[in-house]
Amino acid sequence: AQSVSQHNHHVILSEAASLELGCNYSYGGTVNLFWYVQYPGQHLQLLLKYFSGDPLVKGIKGFEAEFIKSKFSFNLRKPSVQWSDTAEYFCAVNEGYSTLTFGKGTMLLVSP
Amino acid sequence: DGGITQSPKYLFRKEGQNVTLSCEQNLNHDAMYWYRQDPGQGLRLIYYSQIVNDFQKGDIAEGYSVSREKKESFPLTVTSAQKNPTAFYLCASSIEAGPTYEQYFGPGTRLTVT
Repeated sequence: AQSVSQHNHHVILSEAASLELGCNYSYGGTVNLFWYVQYPGQHLQLLLKYFSGDPLVKGIKGFEAEFIKSKFSFNLRKPSVQWSDTAEYFCAVNEGYSTLTFGKGTMLLVSP
Repeated sequence: DGGITQSPKYLFRKEGQNVTLSCEQNLNHDAMYWYRQDPGQGLRLIYYSQIVNDFQKGDIAEGYSVSREKKESFPLTVTSAQKNPTAFYLCASSIEAGPTYEQYFGPGTRLTVT
């Protein structure tokens, strides 16, 4: 069975700091990779996704993620965080049309 | 305005009672899902349904039941057999997007059982 590991459960940053959230998955085949975000009081929404092609994908709100197949990783990055980025971030993986497997989430707190 | 609605936002029940959580979507999506979210546990799949009148167990189906009589609706019943029912419940639906499905989520229902 697939598993997804998010190494940082809580991250605290000051505004303008750079962000990198780690995500590793266990499955070695062809995977689809997602990052979702849950802002306080809001719906879980898709930040970005990777299916194939360019391993550096760009999403909404200035986020990007890099797929490194040899490391089974899909880390999320943002060069300069804002207070409004305070949220919980989830990495998710599936294979083909199978159901998603989610990581346990990383709570990001950005202090103004 | 298309989307997924879950009602109510907050639900309180006494231990030993069954409770049904509502999920409706007007996105014309075929597949629907129920997840449970607990602090530090991420999202865990309870049940999913790819077509009307068919559904499959997810990773933590014990103590839950579902029905899918209409494409738009996928209610979840939390039975008295569920040992730890207090949680945040998320409903989702999905549409085919390239080589996979892309899921869209509702606002969630926070269930408290005392």
